[in-house]
Amino acid sequence: AQSVAQPEDQVNVAEGNPLTVKCTYSVSGNPYLFWYVQYPNRGLQFLLKYITGDNLVKGSYGFEAEFNKSQTSFHLKKPSALVSDSALYFCAVSNDRGSTLGRLYFGRGTQLTVWP
Amino acid sequence: DGGITQSPKYLFRKEGQNVTLSCEQNLNHDAMYWYRQDPGQGLRLIYYSQIVNDFQKGDIAEGYSVSREKKESFPLTVTSAQKNPTAFYLCASSIWGLQSTDTQYFGPGTRLTVL
Repeated sequence: AQSVAQPEDQVNVAEGNPLTVKCTYSVSGNPYLFWYVQYPNRGLQFLLKYITGDNLVKGSYGFEAEFNKSQTSFHLKKPSALVSDSALYFCAVSNDRGSTLGRLYFGRGTQLTVWP
Repeated sequence: DGGITQSPKYLFRKEGQNVTLSCEQNLNHDAMYWYRQDPGQGLRLIYYSQIVNDFQKGDIAEGYSVSREKKESFPLTVTSAQKNPTAFYLCASSIWGLQSTDTQYFGPGTRLTVL
């Protein structure tokens, strides 16, 4: 079965410091990985995705994520956090085979709080 | 939230009533999806549709129904059979049906509360 784990329910970081939001996954076949952000009472906004190629993926708002196949991880990072980055972040995975082809599986989300 | 609209933003329902949530997209996407979001549980797939007049159950379809009569519209009905319908409902779409590399784009959501 396909699954995503976001081991931290909450991440707190000071403005200007680097941030990391962790994600690990389990899929059969090749993984395709996504990060989304959600502000209160809003829909999800797409940040970035890894399909193939360079393991470091750059996305919107200065975010980037690194695909690590051996550790089955896809951690979201930003060099310098902003207060406006405070939101709920979701990692999601799809795969390329089987009856679950194309389905997106979401983690439970990580609440990021950036304090001034 | 792009070209996906959901209405209403807030919906209140009495127990025993059916309600229909609207989802419309002007992105010319083939595939559309309905998810349910509960605090601390992430998103769970209710139904999805790859093409007009076709749809499949997701992981939590019981108590819900959908239709896909037009490419741009994918309404969700929450029936009285749904035991715990209070939740935030999100509609999404993607260019092609269930391609693994597709990005799904989300609407702004509808918050349903059962009184």
